[in-house]
Amino acid sequence: EPEVTQTPSHQVTQMGQEVILRCVPISNHLYFYWYRQILGQKVEFLVSFYNNEISEKSEIFDDQFSVERPDGSNFTLKIRSTKLEDSAMYFCASSARSPVNEQFFGPGTRLTVL
Amino acid sequence: RKEVEQDPGPFNVPEGATVAFNCTYSNSASQSFFWYRQDCRKEPKLLMSVYSSGNEDGRFTAQLNRASQYISLLIRDSKLSDSATYLCVVNDGNTDKLIFGTGTRLQVFP
Repeated sequence: EPEVTQTPSHQVTQMGQEVILRCVPISNHLYFYWYRQILGQKVEFLVSFYNNEISEKSEIFDDQFSVERPDGSNFTLKIRSTKLEDSAMYFCASSARSPVNEQFFGPGTRLTVL
Repeated sequence: RKEVEQDPGPFNVPEGATVAFNCTYSNSASQSFFWYRQDCRKEPKLLMSVYSSGNEDGRFTAQLNRASQYISLLIRDSKLSDSATYLCVVNDGNTDKLIFGTGTRLQVFP
């Protein structure tokens, strides 16, 4: 069964450093998403991406965040200057969107900012 | 009113029991409805989409009441492996953005 993959599984970084989280969506999917989940809290939407551009972003997704699809398979989330409050689990998801927008999630990257 | 509201539980039930979870959502423009399950420190896994006519997948039955903005999930013949957090999820109006509830924790004991 096809699945979304993410690397690394765990990233530890110092405050102020840049991190890039990587995702390989399901191969025939065209819609890509990033969500995050702070420990003990609910899953929150960050951004959606289609046709090489952002379709929607949340208020969390400020100028410190960016997304990119650098090639035909990868989808990345960059945080330019990490803050302590960026520590969370980051999930990538993808969807074929037809007929129902069922989104399938990767295993997540646990980001710890020290 | 919270966007998606669920009873956090926990629901502690014996194997073989039937258990029901409820959820309400605030955006009447929502079009897509789902139940996901999440095991501790793992990703949300799609359990089932929820349709207006109601739908069933094995031991799981989901119902949607658009007028009341209410979604339910019924699990029959609970198994130990059903122990997880069940997330009620709706899309935000006409967008792809998914809004998650905080989840209802289920613990099935032998």
